[in-house]
Amino acid sequence: GESVGLHLPTLSVQEGDNSIINCAYSNSASDYFIWYKQESGKGPQFIIDIRSNMDKRQGQRVTVLLNKTVKHLSLQIAATQPGDSAVYFCAEEGAGGTSYGKLTFGQGTILTVHP
Amino acid sequence: NAGVMQNPRHLVRRRGQEARLRCSPMKGHSHVYWYRQLPEEGLKFMVYLQKENIIDESGMPKERFSAEFPKEGPSILRIQQVVRGDSAAYFCASSPGSESSDGYTFGSGTRLTVV
Repeated sequence: GESVGLHLPTLSVQEGDNSIINCAYSNSASDYFIWYKQESGKGPQFIIDIRSNMDKRQGQRVTVLLNKTVKHLSLQIAATQPGDSAVYFCAEEGAGGTSYGKLTFGQGTILTVHP
Repeated sequence: NAGVMQNPRHLVRRRGQEARLRCSPMKGHSHVYWYRQLPEEGLKFMVYLQKENIIDESGMPKERFSAEFPKEGPSILRIQQVVRGDSAAYFCASSPGSESSDGYTFGSGTRLTVV
């Protein structure tokens, strides 16, 4: 998807397709990254996380890829289902004691899955 | 095992009134974080507290906002003399606190509307 003005990027897929949601982060010192799913009227729900000493981590139907060289994070969802429709946020946490507990969230991407 | 409990879910205040938002962390969690979310934006860190201590309040506005996490009872985010710009969703998260990888669990938020 592409962003226009202040609107969130959007991604529309058909049920059963694979989805890829991207996130660029700015802090090269970030040590810990998390993907969250947020449905309307609800709080962020943890999906998967990854530390900076890894470049790939897999969960159930989800994979997170981390490219520290270009400061890029992606979330891959296999066999996307209508229930996956939500806003997806990446979040980063810096290394070191003063950064603990302070997550910096990305802009968010709206994923819409069509039956 | 109840998750992070926030109340009220919705709060309407007139300009100049006080807003008090409550957060009860997950059982066994002693670290609490408050975030604010404006429409179509990611969450912005406000404050990180442990029992009876403010660890990091770098995201809190200098005036009118305060937070506490007493020895007994929930964490409270207090906004005095609310203005229209305070209208937002306020989310609380908690963690066991020992390691980032223990994860942060978010509540469902309090939606504050200032009229």
